[in-house]
Amino acid sequence: DQQVKQNSPSLSVQEGRISILNCDYTNSMFDYFLWYKKYPAEGPTFLISISSIKDKNEDGRFTVFLNKSAKHLSLHIVPSQPGDSAVYFCAALRGGTSYGKLTFGQGTILTVHP
Amino acid sequence: GAGVSQSPSNKVTEKGKDVELRCDPISGHTALYWYRQSLGQGLEFLIYFQGNSAPDKSGLPSDRFSAERTGGSVSTLTIQRTQQEDSAVYLCASSFGVNYGYTFGSGTRLTVV
Repeated sequence: DQQVKQNSPSLSVQEGRISILNCDYTNSMFDYFLWYKKYPAEGPTFLISISSIKDKNEDGRFTVFLNKSAKHLSLHIVPSQPGDSAVYFCAALRGGTSYGKLTFGQGTILTVHP
Repeated sequence: GAGVSQSPSNKVTEKGKDVELRCDPISGHTALYWYRQSLGQGLEFLIYFQGNSAPDKSGLPSDRFSAERTGGSVSTLTIQRTQQEDSAVYLCASSFGVNYGYTFGSGTRLTVV
């Protein structure tokens, strides 16, 4: 039962353009969402997060949007750079959990072409 | 240390053998997590430690899997009688207090042949 889904296994964009990575979830108890970025042979690194009381959170080139009614979140990267090429995972945390037990999506491979 | 350190980075083992995977969290981090990533899958939660105790072991797939943490620091994940379906990258992460953006190690790639 995949509670967090990233339906696009891969995404290819041109340098300087916008990258939009999507994530859907099914569990309405999730109330905190995160994006992680992973390079080959490295562990995932935390990128940005959003609480369910917000619909947008911005950090430099990265913006996460949350649509609670649609149970959908997206990560926008503007402008995209070749160094952004990596696997991106979205993750969700269940409300009321006092520790970071995260449910992850399958990941989307982003390739940014120079 | 500066980051979360895991060893070995790669492990190939024969089916039926036991393996031990080690995690050295960031010094002072009280929370420690084990996840695994099987081919084509997302990260799957295995176990959570707060200090030396494990309040949540719900993700351990079977009783062949166990983990311990000593001194509020190093953790070992043990898999007994390994099976081919245990092949995956095992990732450890740590955080200070309740911090969901925790720090992962580079993982141990386990291959059971």
